[in-house]
Amino acid sequence: QKEVEQDPGPLSVPEGAIVSLNCTYSNSAFQYFMWYRQYSRKGPELLMYTYSSGNKEDGRFTAQVDKSSKYISLFIRDSQPSDSATYLCAMKRGNFNKFYFGSGTKLNVKP
Amino acid sequence: DTGVSQDPRHKITKRGQNVTFRCDPISEHNRLYWYRQTLGQGPEFLTYFQNEAQLEKSRLLSDRFSAERPKGSFSTLEIQRTEQGDSAMYLCASSPTSGGTDTQYFGPGTRLTVL
Repeated sequence: QKEVEQDPGPLSVPEGAIVSLNCTYSNSAFQYFMWYRQYSRKGPELLMYTYSSGNKEDGRFTAQVDKSSKYISLFIRDSQPSDSATYLCAMKRGNFNKFYFGSGTKLNVKP
Repeated sequence: DTGVSQDPRHKITKRGQNVTFRCDPISEHNRLYWYRQTLGQGPEFLTYFQNEAQLEKSRLLSDRFSAERPKGSFSTLEIQRTEQGDSAMYLCASSPTSGGTDTQYFGPGTRLTVL
């Protein structure tokens, strides 16, 4: 079993829709949680990071962490065609610098 | 700040050959990471440097792989006796020691094809 599980999609939504992307994990020691966006043939770009449980909002993006369920989410409001990309979740333990990534969810926002 | 750069962007080689990739991190970033990413998968951690010290290596990094970061600046990743299974995107990322050690900035990657 992988330490981080993520539905690969693809997820196709109409422009303006609310998108929900999710990851589950098995290691309860993970404390830092991140979401990256990766366009085709590019390196990942950090979108959001959160520490421990709770919500964090940045513009159209909201990251949510539920440590009791070992479940994290990224919500995208008013989705745009430019949001079409692969979204990767990542996480790590407190004092360690090894990051664990999900396999990515491919999102397609249709105009 | 020009971001993390990697060279070359693409490399095609024959099985059995050695290849070397270079990563130039964002200046003054102490931490540098190497990852491997295959199609449809997320990045897999390979190794991590703090300044010139290699502090962690994945079991994925077989003895054919070696990484260096002389003087704590740029880093190189060498693969000896390449195999077809080494074909992947090799990503480099850097982060500052302070101000959020979780904020990794990735380079564009080097795409390796082993024939």
